[in-house]
Amino acid sequence: AQSVTQPDIHITVSEGASLELRCNYSYGATPYLFWYVQSPGQGLQLLLKYFSGDTLVQGIKGFEAEFKRSQSSFNLRKPSVHWSDAAQYFCAVGAGYSTLTFGKGTMLLVSP
Amino acid sequence: NAGVTQTPKFQVLKTGQSMTLQCAQDMNHNSMYWYRQDPGMGLRLIYYSASEGTTDKGEVPNGYNVSRLNKREFSLRLESAAPSQTSVYFCASSERGPEAFFGQGTRLTVV
Repeated sequence: AQSVTQPDIHITVSEGASLELRCNYSYGATPYLFWYVQSPGQGLQLLLKYFSGDTLVQGIKGFEAEFKRSQSSFNLRKPSVHWSDAAQYFCAVGAGYSTLTFGKGTMLLVSP
Repeated sequence: NAGVTQTPKFQVLKTGQSMTLQCAQDMNHNSMYWYRQDPGMGLRLIYYSASEGTTDKGEVPNGYNVSRLNKREFSLRLESAAPSQTSVYFCASSERGPEAFFGQGTRLTVV
């Protein structure tokens, strides 16, 4: 069965500092990997996805993520965080015609 | 430009009452999903419909039923609501494969 672990429930980052959110997955085949963001009271918005090819993928809002097969990881990064990035971030795994399995999410707080 | 539309946005039910959550997508997607989101639990799949005419159970189907009315619409029914079903419910759709587009959610409280 596929699973996703996001080890950090909350992370606080100063505005302008860099950000890395961790995600580890368990899946028997080559996974499709996703990062979604959820602002308070809103639905989930897709930030970026990895299906195959280049292991460093670029997304919206200046985010990027790197797929590392050897570590079963797909960490999300941003070089300089803005106050508007405060939200909850979900990593998810799926493949082919399967459904998505989500991690429990990481809440990002941005301090001035 | 609507994407995935869910109604209602908020609902309060008494224990034992029934209700149907509606979801419609205008992207001509084949697959549709219902998730629930609870604090500290992430999103958990309730039911999904891989294509029109088919439905399958997800991780937490107990207490729910679904209907894929047509390609656009996928409803979720609570026959006898329980406080444990207090949650935020999200509908999503995808063309094929797992990349899903989400609605804005329905916040349901069962008292």
